Amino acid sequence: ILNVEQSPQSLHVQEGDSTNFTCSFPSSNFYALHWYRWETAKSPEALFVMTLNGDEKKKGRISATLNTKEGYSYLYIKGSQPEDSATYLCAFVPGNQFYFGTGTSLTVIP
Amino acid sequence: DTAVSQTPKYLVTQMGNDKSIKCEQNLGHDTMYWYKQDSKKFLKIMFSYNNKELIINETVPNRFSPKSPDKAHLNLHINSLELGDSAVYFCASSQRQGAGYTFGSGTRLTVV
Repeated sequence: ILNVEQSPQSLHVQEGDSTNFTCSFPSSNFYALHWYRWETAKSPEALFVMTLNGDEKKKGRISATLNTKEGYSYLYIKGSQPEDSATYLCAFVPGNQFYFGTGTSLTVIP
Repeated sequence: DTAVSQTPKYLVTQMGNDKSIKCEQNLGHDTMYWYKQDSKKFLKIMFSYNNKELIINETVPNRFSPKSPDKAHLNLHINSLELGDSAVYFCASSQRQGAGYTFGSGTRLTVV
C-alpha cells in the first residue's frame, strides 16, 4: 500500500489570505500527480495533472508545483475566497492505479 | 448531458437486502472504477474495469460484485447488505488506466 499524505488535514483562513498545502508521495516510480477539488455534496473535479519534475500549473488564483525527486507537491491559493472552501485531494499515480491522499479541508471565512 | 451518471443518488435499505447501483459514462472512456468513501472521507478503490475486463479487485467482501455489460457501464451489486456497508459510493471513468478521472456524483447508501 502506497502512502500519500496531505497536510494539514484542515485549514481555516480569512477571506483574502493566501494559503498553501502539501501532498507527499513516494519518490520512486512516479508517473503523474493529480489534484482534485471536492466541494461538499458534489463529486471531485480535476484541477491539475502534473507529470514532470519542476512542473508548475496555474488556474486562476490556484497554482501547483511538483518535486518528484523529493516526493511532494504544493497547492497554492492566492487571495482565498469563500467559494474556494472545499476539500483538495491529491492522487499519486505510479502507473495505472490512483492512490488518493486523505485531503486537506479548506474553509475560507468571509 | 451528465458525463458520469450514477443511480440512485440515495438508497436506504434494510439489512440483508440485495441492491444495485448503476453507473454510466458517455465520454467514450475505456476504464471505469468504483470507490467507497469511508467515514474519514477517504476514497478507497474497490474495482476497476478496462474495456469490460476486471483489472483491479481490491479486498472487498465477495458480497460486492461488479458487472460491466459494456465499456460505458459499470454496475455494482451488493448482496446481503450489512450496516457497515453504509457509505457514499463513487463511480469514475478515465480515458485509459492512469489518466485523469471524471467522477459521478456519488450514491449515498444507508443500511438500516
